[in-house]
Amino acid sequence: EAQVTQNPRYLITVTGKKLTVTCSQNMNHEYMSWYRQDPGLGLRQIYYSMNVEVTDKGDVPEGYKVSRKEKRNFPLILESPSPNQTSLYFCASTAWGGQGYGYTFGSGTRLTVV
Amino acid sequence: AQKITQTQPGMFVQEKEAVTLDCTYDTSDQSYGLFWYKQPSSGEMIFLIYQGSYDEQNATEGRYSLNFQKARKSANLVISASQLGDSAMYFCAMRDRMDSSYKLIFGSGTRLLVRP
Repeated sequence: EAQVTQNPRYLITVTGKKLTVTCSQNMNHEYMSWYRQDPGLGLRQIYYSMNVEVTDKGDVPEGYKVSRKEKRNFPLILESPSPNQTSLYFCASTAWGGQGYGYTFGSGTRLTVV
Repeated sequence: AQKITQTQPGMFVQEKEAVTLDCTYDTSDQSYGLFWYKQPSSGEMIFLIYQGSYDEQNATEGRYSLNFQKARKSANLVISASQLGDSAMYFCAMRDRMDSSYKLIFGSGTRLLVRP
């Protein structure tokens, strides 16, 4: 089954404790990206990657890092999480062109930073 | 700047009836794509339907159809024969083909509740 797999689904952590949210897709998509969803602010892009070793900042990259060492994986790293990073996070992927293809989203990671 | 507007925060529909969810967009570009996503209470984002700005026909996917009126910059989602499982948040989104970030711009969403 074609899918984007995110782990974990739920995570509660403490301020400053480094964490990684994993994202893996099995569709051989070149493009992957991360979004966060917050009430009243909607979904905003954090980082994106056009292909292996090619990443760039989205609209809200502060406090996050990413890497794309393999085509299928695109982890999101929070080096020193803070409470304002409490959010629902989505990883998404699509094939080149994107048009005509829905961006496939992962199931989401609900992160709480206390 | 590109913007998606969904003016209906919440809507009710009777089971088996059709419902239209409104979406208007703002862009100065000629080449763009429009998407609708469903977000049930479990949180995942489910792709429903896509319309390209140059597509002459309105998109359809099963019970979902997109009423695309380019001149009015609207891309309304029509759900026919509503089912209880259609109760969810629905988001309209747009991607500008000239935007190298491939970013999706989302609207604020419409919460649909299907009554039995």
